[in-house]
Amino acid sequence: QKEVEQDPGPLSVPEGAIVSLNCTYSNSAFQYFMWYRQYSRKGPELLMYTYSSGNKEDGRFTAQVDKSSKYISLFIRDSQPSDSATYLCAMRRSNYQLIWGAGTKLIIKP
Amino acid sequence: GAVVSQHPSWVICKSGTSVKIECRSLDFQATTMFWYRQFPKQSLMLMATSNEGSKATYEQGVEKDKFLINHASLTLSTLTVTSAHPEDSSFYICSAPQATNEKLFFGSGTQLSVL
Repeated sequence: QKEVEQDPGPLSVPEGAIVSLNCTYSNSAFQYFMWYRQYSRKGPELLMYTYSSGNKEDGRFTAQVDKSSKYISLFIRDSQPSDSATYLCAMRRSNYQLIWGAGTKLIIKP
Repeated sequence: GAVVSQHPSWVICKSGTSVKIECRSLDFQATTMFWYRQFPKQSLMLMATSNEGSKATYEQGVEKDKFLINHASLTLSTLTVTSAHPEDSSFYICSAPQATNEKLFFGSGTQLSVL
C-alpha cells in the first residue's frame, strides 16, 4: 500500500463547475499538507499549504484536512479552462522530504 | 512565493556526453535542495538531497557516479548527468525549501533528451 493515494484521473468537468480533488494517506505522523499544480513540462507550483486539520481558503481554492480520517481535499470554485493541469498532493513529517500522490489530471471543458 | 530558477529548460545531447543542470534560489538562501526525476504521466521521484558544503544524500537505486551533485553555495546546486544514455532521458526538477516558512518551491524543470 502506498503512503499517499491519489486517483490519477483524468477528471473532466465543464467550465464553472466546482472541482473536488482528494488524497488519502496512511501515516498519522504527517503534519504538513500541500497541493501543487503542475502544467505540462513545468515544475510544480505551490497552491495551498496547511498544517494540521481544518480548512484554508485562498481565492477560488479551498484546502481541507481531516487528520482523523487521513483525508485531504482541494476544492476549486468557478473552474476555468486555465485550471486544466495535474494537481499533486504532498505531505511531510517534520523534515522537508515530501511524500507525493500520483497526481490527478484535471480537464476543464469550455 | 520564493523563486527557484532552473537552467536549461531543455537539452538534447548525444549518448556518452555529460550534461549539467543548474538550480538557483533567487531571493533566499537554501542550505538544502532536492533533485527529482519525473517520467511522463508519473509523479515526482526524489533522486537526492543536496546539502551545501557537504556530500549529497542519494535515494536508494540512484547511482551516485551517474548523477553528480554539487552544492557549492547557499544559492546554487548543480546536477551533472555523466555519460548520459537514452534511458537517462527524463524531466528533472529541483526544489528548495524557504526556511522562514518551511515551504518547498520548485524550479521550472529540465527536459533531457539523450539521442
